[in-house]
Amino acid sequence: SQQGEEDPQALSIQEGENATMNCSYKTSINNLQWYRQNSGRGLVHLILIRSNEREKHSGRLRVTLDTSKKSSSLLITASRAADTASYFCATDVKGGRRALTFGSGTRLQVQP
Amino acid sequence: KAGVTQTPRYLIKTRGQQVTLSCSPISGHRSVSWYQQTPGQGLQFLFEYFSETQRNKGNFPGRFSGRQFSNSRSEMNVSTLELGDSALYLCASSLAGTSGYNEQFFGPGTRLTVL
Repeated sequence: SQQGEEDPQALSIQEGENATMNCSYKTSINNLQWYRQNSGRGLVHLILIRSNEREKHSGRLRVTLDTSKKSSSLLITASRAADTASYFCATDVKGGRRALTFGSGTRLQVQP
Repeated sequence: KAGVTQTPRYLIKTRGQQVTLSCSPISGHRSVSWYQQTPGQGLQFLFEYFSETQRNKGNFPGRFSGRQFSNSRSEMNVSTLELGDSALYLCASSLAGTSGYNEQFFGPGTRLTVL
C-alpha cells in the first residue's frame, strides 16, 4: 500500500483561486517532498520539508507539516492555468529502506 | 547544467523480449534512482544506484535489473517482458545525502509499450 495518500484525488478551480492538497502518511519520516507532473512527463521537485519543520514557503507555494497527525498540505495561491498538473507527495521514511515513497497524487485542473 | 536525460523516449516491444533503458544524471550527481509509473499502481520505486553499487531495491521481480557506470550513467534492463510491464519508466538523480533522501531531479521518462 502507498505510504502517502493525497486528498482530494481531483480538484478543479478557476484561475486566481487557491488550491489546497493534503497528504497523509503512515510512518515516521526524515522529510516530505512535493512534486508536480505535467501530463505523463517527468516530475518536477517543488519543495522539501524536514520532519523538524512545520511550514515552508516557495513563491506561491506554502507547505505545512504536522508530524503528530502524519499529514502535510500544499497550498498554491492565486493559481494559474499553467498550474494544471498532477501533484504528488513523497516521503523519505525514517529508518526504512532508502527510497522515496510516492502517494497516489492529486490532479489539479485550473480553468482559465 | 544539463538536466537528466533518458533514452529512448518511446519504445514498443513484444512479450518475451528484453529491453534496456538508459539514464544520464545531472553532472555531479552520483545517486540514480529508477521508478515505474502505471495508472493502476502509481509511482513505484525500482532501485537506487550510488557509486556503481545498488543501494536499494524495490519489490519487483528479478526480471528487473540495473547497473551504474563509473560516470554515474545508469541502465535498467527488463527481461522476458510481460504486458504488465507497459509503463512510464522514470529516472531521477540527486546529490547523495548522508541522512535522508534529497531532492530528486527527474528525467522525462521512457514510455514502454509491450504488445
